[in-house]
Amino acid sequence: EPEVTQTPSHQVTQMGQEVILRCVPISNHLYFYWYRQILGQKVEFLVSFYNNEISEKSEIFDDQFSVERPDGSNFTLKIRSTKLEDSAMYFCASSEAPGTEAFFGQGTRLTVV
Amino acid sequence: GIQVEQSPPDLILQEGANSTLRCNFSDSVNNLQWFHQNPWGQLINLFYIPSGTKQNGRLSATTVATERYSLLYISSSQTTDSGVYFCAGPPPGTYKYIFGTGTRLKVLA
Repeated sequence: EPEVTQTPSHQVTQMGQEVILRCVPISNHLYFYWYRQILGQKVEFLVSFYNNEISEKSEIFDDQFSVERPDGSNFTLKIRSTKLEDSAMYFCASSEAPGTEAFFGQGTRLTVV
Repeated sequence: GIQVEQSPPDLILQEGANSTLRCNFSDSVNNLQWFHQNPWGQLINLFYIPSGTKQNGRLSATTVATERYSLLYISSSQTTDSGVYFCAGPPPGTYKYIFGTGTRLKVLA
């Protein structure tokens, strides 16, 4: 069964460093998302991406964050200068079209020290 | 913005028991999904259910969109059902999923 794949599964980084989280969405899907979940809290929307541009973004998604689809299969989230409060589980998701069922990856647990 | 409330917040069951989890939306949503977050943190799709009723094995779900709620039924619970259950949906005019507060379920052997 097709699935969304995220790498790495865990990443530890020093405060101020840049990190890139990678995702391979389901191959025929056109709509991509990033969400995050701080430990013990609910899942929060960060950004959606469609037709090679950002479709929507939340207040959390400030200038420190960027997304890119560098080729036909990968979708990345970059955090330029990580802060302690960026520590969270980051989920990538994809759907066939806007508003259809979204499928989530297994998550990347980011720890900023 | 839209609020998504889930009840109960915590639930402890003996193996074999049945349960009903509820999801209330403060505004209409275009569609609704239920997820199970397992102890490793993975979000597993359970149901995509904008309206009506669906069943998958021991689990079933009902969404009454006009009344802005959805129910998830778990029958004959097993220890592997433990974890956090989330409902989520996008409000009208947007495709971003707003997640509920979650129900933390623990099934005891």
